[in-house]
Amino acid sequence: ILNVEQSPQSLHVQEGDSTNFTCSFPSSNFYALHWYRWETAKSPEALFVMTLNGDEKKKGRISATLNTKEGYSYLYIKGSQPEDSATYLCAFETVYNFNKFYFGSGTKLNVKP
Amino acid sequence: DGGITQSPKYLFRKEGQNVTLSCEQNLNHDAMYWYRQDPGQGLRLIYYSQIVNDFQKGDIAEGYSVSREKKESFPLTVTSAQKNPTAFYLCASSIPGGADNEQFFGPGTRLTVL
Repeated sequence: ILNVEQSPQSLHVQEGDSTNFTCSFPSSNFYALHWYRWETAKSPEALFVMTLNGDEKKKGRISATLNTKEGYSYLYIKGSQPEDSATYLCAFETVYNFNKFYFGSGTKLNVKP
Repeated sequence: DGGITQSPKYLFRKEGQNVTLSCEQNLNHDAMYWYRQDPGQGLRLIYYSQIVNDFQKGDIAEGYSVSREKKESFPLTVTSAQKNPTAFYLCASSIPGGADNEQFFGPGTRLTVL
């Protein structure tokens, strides 16, 4: 079982704050890194999939970067809003088994109005 | 409206009973997956299937069984051999090797064994 770690485990910020969190994964045999947002009482939804070292993806106020050589990805949220409150999951794919995702335990973000 | 349905949302069973969780998708995806979530842990893969009539064990398959007789359906049976069955179960599907390899998730079933 491959180890994927996310930090911090939880985060409480005020509306308008910018925040970021980390996903660490094995740097060898990398194929792809996925970010999901999981709101309470809903299904996890895909945010980004990143495959190349140095990749940067952006969707609105949320962006992500990828460093495959050192095995980490950052997720940034600029100007957090209460609707950003959710658990953010990352998942790692290896070249040996596409489609088999290894998930981190998630970062639970709470944005207070 | 395409998607993945899981039923029921909440399920209670007595210890020692087998229970089957339903997962149906109308996305025409070949691959389907079952994950388990426990407090403070990430999603852990129980079983997955990349094509009808074929499936593979994930990382925590002991005490579980699956079948994949139809493309749309991938039921999970939690047997009495599963030592800690109380958990939240998520089903997902994807197009194997498809663009971005995105997995689409159902709403989940929370199983409580009394």
